[in-house]
Amino acid sequence: GENVEQHPSTLSVQEGDSAVIKCTYSDSASNYFPWYKQELGKRPQLIIDIRSNVGEKKDQRIAVTLNKTAKHFSLHITETQPEDSAVYFCAALGGYSSGNTPLVFGKGTRLSVIA
Amino acid sequence: DGGITQSPKYLFRKEGQNVTLSCEQNLNHDAMYWYRQDPGQGLRLIYYSQIVNDFQKGDIAEGYSVSREKKESFPLTVTSAQKNPTAFYLCASSIHRESDTEAFFGQGTRLTVV
Repeated sequence: GENVEQHPSTLSVQEGDSAVIKCTYSDSASNYFPWYKQELGKRPQLIIDIRSNVGEKKDQRIAVTLNKTAKHFSLHITETQPEDSAVYFCAALGGYSSGNTPLVFGKGTRLSVIA
Repeated sequence: DGGITQSPKYLFRKEGQNVTLSCEQNLNHDAMYWYRQDPGQGLRLIYYSQIVNDFQKGDIAEGYSVSREKKESFPLTVTSAQKNPTAFYLCASSIHRESDTEAFFGQGTRLTVV
């Protein structure tokens, strides 16, 4: 089955700097890669996702890049703000044609933005 | 809020007892998932179901059971066989089509063994 590795486990940045979180996946059939943000005591919420037919996607200060050949994808947050402090999870999902595959998550990255 | 509801929010269980966590969604999603969250462990998959009356074990299914009798409901039972059940449990659902795959989470149930 799919295995997702996420690094680093913790990340501290100064306010205004950029933050990068990286994930690798094992199943070459996976074709959907979401990123979730979880604030303390709350449910994870989707912040951005990318499909395997594109290499990069941006939404204001956040962007995700995907390298299918190397089987890794990354989250980039620019101009970080204190409210970006949270735990971020990457995930991978097999294609619909792959049959019965679940959404598999990385172990998470705790991001702290220091004012 | 997101159309997926977990109850209760907090649950206390005595050792040796079974407890059932509720998960209901009104999003008409085919797929539903149960994850367990422990500090530093991320989200670990317990069980998942893609259609009614069918479900598969995830990575940590031992000591848990599920049912999927209705599309809207995917209850999780934590049995006495689960040796360390204290954790935060999250239910999620998704459509799982090529064009629309976002998973939505419930607010979670925090289970404590006393």
